[in-house]
Amino acid sequence: AQTVTQSQPEMSVQEAETVTLSCTYDTSESDYYLFWYKQPPSRQMILVIRQEAYKQQNATENRFSVNFQKAAKSFSLKISDSQLGDAAMYFCAEGGATNKLIFGTGTLLAVQP
Amino acid sequence: DAGITQSPRHKVTETGTPVTLRCHQTENHRYMYWYRQDPGHGLRLIHYSYGVKDTDKGEVSDGYSVSRSKTEDFLLTLESATSSQTSVYFCAISEATRDQPQHFGDGTRLSIL
Repeated sequence: AQTVTQSQPEMSVQEAETVTLSCTYDTSESDYYLFWYKQPPSRQMILVIRQEAYKQQNATENRFSVNFQKAAKSFSLKISDSQLGDAAMYFCAEGGATNKLIFGTGTLLAVQP
Repeated sequence: DAGITQSPRHKVTETGTPVTLRCHQTENHRYMYWYRQDPGHGLRLIHYSYGVKDTDKGEVSDGYSVSRSKTEDFLLTLESATSSQTSVYFCAISEATRDQPQHFGDGTRLSIL
């Protein structure tokens, strides 16, 4: 069965610093996609970044980047130059053939001014 | 933002009553999904649809049914609501499988007393 594990329930970072959120997954699919979603207190689910498993190059979106280690089944999110608006719950998710997403339990990120 | 509207946004009802949640999209996307979000579980897939009248079960489908008679509408029904179905429900849409990310509605908070 597919599983996604986020082992850090809560993290904290100082404004302007860098933080890394961890995610590991397990899947039997050979072709799959990985995603990070952000959920601020407004409850919206916002796509932060996605990674195609067949691509070796790590995805980057402005201050957000991933460290994708396929052999280790690891997909961590790095947030650089953290801003107050980055405070939110972050969910890692994996999608296979039918794009039925499996989510981790989330990491609550606090940004300290 | 993707054109997804969930209704109602909030609902309080009693155990044993039927409840229907509606998801309406204006994007003409083929795929639609219903998730529930509970503390400690992240988001879990209830049911999904891959076309009009084409639906399938997710990992937590017991006690729920869905219908999709038009591309733009995906209904989630709790035939006889139970307190364990108190949750936040999210609808999501995607244009295709795999390489297209899912976009989420704003959620419905359902409380069953």
